[in-house]
Amino acid sequence: EVQLVESGGGLVQPGGSLRLSCAAAGFTFSSYWMNWVRQAPGKGLEWVANIREDGSEKDYVDSVKGRFTISRDNANNSLYLQMDSLRADDTAVYYCARRGGSTSCYAGYCHYYYHMDAWGEGTTVTVSS
Amino acid sequence: DIQMTQSPSSLSASIGDRVTITCRASQSITNYLNWYQQKPGKAPKFLIYAASDLQSGVPSRFSGSGSGTDFTLTISTLQPEDFATYYCQQSYSNPLTFGGGTKVEIK
Repeated sequence: EVQLVESGGGLVQPGGSLRLSCAAAGFTFSSYWMNWVRQAPGKGLEWVANIREDGSEKDYVDSVKGRFTISRDNANNSLYLQMDSLRADDTAVYYCARRGGSTSCYAGYCHYYYHMDAWGEGTTVTVSS
Repeated sequence: DIQMTQSPSSLSASIGDRVTITCRASQSITNYLNWYQQKPGKAPKFLIYAASDLQSGVPSRFSGSGSGTDFTLTISTLQPEDFATYYCQQSYSNPLTFGGGTKVEIK
């Protein structure tokens, strides 16, 4: 069974730092891109960052570029999110999510589609003085 | 960035009703469109990819359609466990973006 368990959330003052972790189990972690997605209280989902299987490629939403760093440790099946210069609007539940892929064919043509097929239960980050 | 707009933002329906949710992209995403279901206090659950293909284990009362910029999620016969918030998400290009969500409530 695929399992993703986030940890590291908490209360932090504006301008502070926090490091989130996501422990993966039940699948070959090193074979998958991974994502961080957040959800502010009462709001919708927002993709934050993702990282390639070997860590060589990373991307971020503009609002966190230069402040957040995504990384992974494939030997320990772990994903991380280092969050610096935190702001009140970073307050959210942070989820790690696996990037799965599926093939879909139509009229003889097939394409590969990416989605987030496994999610952790999230860890809460509150930025407040 | 590609903006995703869902409508309505909420709806009330009864058990057994047919429910349709709309998602519109700000530019063509062909059919690189996913749907998720989220219940209060829980993580999202992946339902549909490629606009219309059901993830394994998702009940057949769920269906998706559309291409280009306009997409729909339909629940053919609403069940008690379907009351939740539904999100569309484009996987066409980074940054990945979600719609604002549609909350399906009990009438």
